[in-house]
Amino acid sequence: RKEVEQDPGPFNVPEGATVAFNCTYSNSASQSFFWYRQDCRKEPKLLMSVYSSGNEDGRFTAQLNRASQYISLLIRDSKLSDSATYLCVVNGAAGSARQLTFGSGTQLTVLP
Amino acid sequence: NAGVTQTPKFRILKIGQSMTLQCAQDMNHNYMYWYRQDPGMGLKLIYYSVGAGITDKGEVPNGYNVSRSTTEDFPLRLELAAPSQTSVYFCASSPRNRGQKDTQYFGPGTRLTVL
Repeated sequence: RKEVEQDPGPFNVPEGATVAFNCTYSNSASQSFFWYRQDCRKEPKLLMSVYSSGNEDGRFTAQLNRASQYISLLIRDSKLSDSATYLCVVNGAAGSARQLTFGSGTQLTVLP
Repeated sequence: NAGVTQTPKFRILKIGQSMTLQCAQDMNHNYMYWYRQDPGMGLKLIYYSVGAGITDKGEVPNGYNVSRSTTEDFPLRLELAAPSQTSVYFCASSPRNRGQKDTQYFGPGTRLTVL
């Protein structure tokens, strides 16, 4: 089983749609969780951290379910500029020196 | 701040050649990392460093070497290039303070082709 698994997509949605991405992780000792965004041929950039209580940043909502080892990202009112690959990222077991494990990414295309 | 910078942006190597990928950061981050990303795949950690003079292997270190003589620089060395090393290489850094722990800032990447 992969350490971090994501549905690769692609997700093709119209502008204004709501879209949700899911991610599962295998290491129950993982402590930090993130969503990164990667545009085509560019470097990954932090979109948001994911907290146990869930958190929201504008149109983006992230949820964490530790019992099921599951992370989600919800994007509301999709914009053309949201088109990118979304990477689910999980840190290693306690004591690891800031090592992150990256999922393969979910590709999103928002259509006009 | 320039953030994390990488040179070169692109490079084509012949099998058996060697090269050094340069990475520098001006954010005074203690932690630095090298990743490779193959097409359609996630990032794989090659090497990382928790401070000047300290380096350690990641998931895929074979065929690579690193050094960390200063806080700012973290070069990655390929000694005998092989086609399997064709990839995009990203350097990243992260701060040590708890408030921003684990957040990594990436350079723009180096696209390497080995023929």
